[in-house]
This record gives sequence, structure tokens and C-alpha cells, in this order.
Amino acid sequence: GQNIDQPTEMTATEGAIVQINCTYQTSGFNGLFWYQQHAGEAPTFLSYNVLDGLEEKGRFSSFLSRSKGYSYLLLKELQMKDSASYLCAVRDSNYQLIWGAGTKLIIKP
Amino acid sequence: IAGITQAPTSQILAAGRRMTLRCTQDMRHNAMYWYRQDLGLGLRLIHYSNTAGTTGKGEVPDGYSVSRANTDDFPLTLASAVPSQTSVYFCASSQGSTGGNEQFFGPGTRLTVL
Repeated sequence: GQNIDQPTEMTATEGAIVQINCTYQTSGFNGLFWYQQHAGEAPTFLSYNVLDGLEEKGRFSSFLSRSKGYSYLLLKELQMKDSASYLCAVRDSNYQLIWGAGTKLIIKP
Repeated sequence: IAGITQAPTSQILAAGRRMTLRCTQDMRHNAMYWYRQDLGLGLRLIHYSNTAGTTGKGEVPDGYSVSRANTDDFPLTLASAVPSQTSVYFCASSQGSTGGNEQFFGPGTRLTVL
């Protein structure tokens, strides 16, 4: 079957750095997405990786290793507004997104 | 303002009743999707449409139907609601279903079936 694994919850301190991991086993791979979802709101797009390596976008970076079935999202200079759930999703061989359950990130002052 | 709208925002429904959740996008996106989101689970795809006039089944299609008569609208119908269909439903759209085409999400409909 297809599986996306992420930690359920993480806690970090304002101003610090946090890394959220995602491992996947899917039927085919056509890209990996990270989304942010604040409580009670819709998911919003953060990043897309299809080749191995690091993609940087401001305070957020995303890394992919296709051979290891592994990605991480790195958040730097954490702000209170970064408290949210972070969703990892893989596009499979049918070009549909398979979603992880999300990682709830709690930021403490 | 460009984006996706969903209606209603929330609904309480008696089991056995028929219900249609509405979704409209004004971005002229080709592909549209319906997901449900339940606590502790990832978003699960119910149905999708890669282009107007075509639809396909996702991971959890049973009990749901969709139509795509035009580019903008993608309604989701529950023919006879059951309590296990209590969930938050998100409609999404994307320009295409390949490459880096990100999906844009509507605000969601919170449905409770009693």
C-alpha cells in the first residue's frame, strides 16, 4: 500500500530552527509537496520538490532524497505565526496526491 | 478576488438525506478535486476531474458522486448521508495534474451527519 509518515506533533521555540521529516512509500513518484494548514483553515502551498536536493524559499527550505524516500521541511527563525500543521504529499504514478496525516508544530515564546 | 469558494460553510444533516456541496473556482483551472479530512488522517481524495466533462474516482468514492459540466463548478453529492460521512470537505483546483502544479484549496465545508 501507499504510506506517508510524519511525526504527529513537534514543539519548538520562537526564533529557533525546526526540521519536520517525511518518509514515503508510494506507487511511483512524480513530485513531493509541502503545505501549511492553520487550525480551521484550508491548506496552502509551501514547496515542491521533484529532483534530489534542497529548495530554498525565504525562511522555509525543503529537501528531497528519492533513493531514500525521504524529505524534510526546514523552518528557520521561527515566528509564532508558524504554529500550524505541516502536510507532506507525494504525487503517485496516477498523478494523484497521497497525503500524510500532518505534523502539528507548536511554537513557544 | 480570484480563488475557490465552497458552500455551505457548515451543515448538520440527518442520516438518509441527500446533500450537495458546492464548489466554484474562477482561476480557469483544468483540474478539480474533492477531499475529506478527518482527525488523525491525511486528506483523502474522493473524486477528481482533470478537465471539464470528465471525472474519476479517488481513494474513498463510495457514497459520493460528482459532475463537471463546465470548467468552474464541481459539485459533490451525497445521495443518502451516513454518520461516517461526518467530516471536513475541501474542494481544490490546479492548472494541471502533473509537474509542479500546486493545488489551491477552498475554505472547506464542515459536515455533520446525525
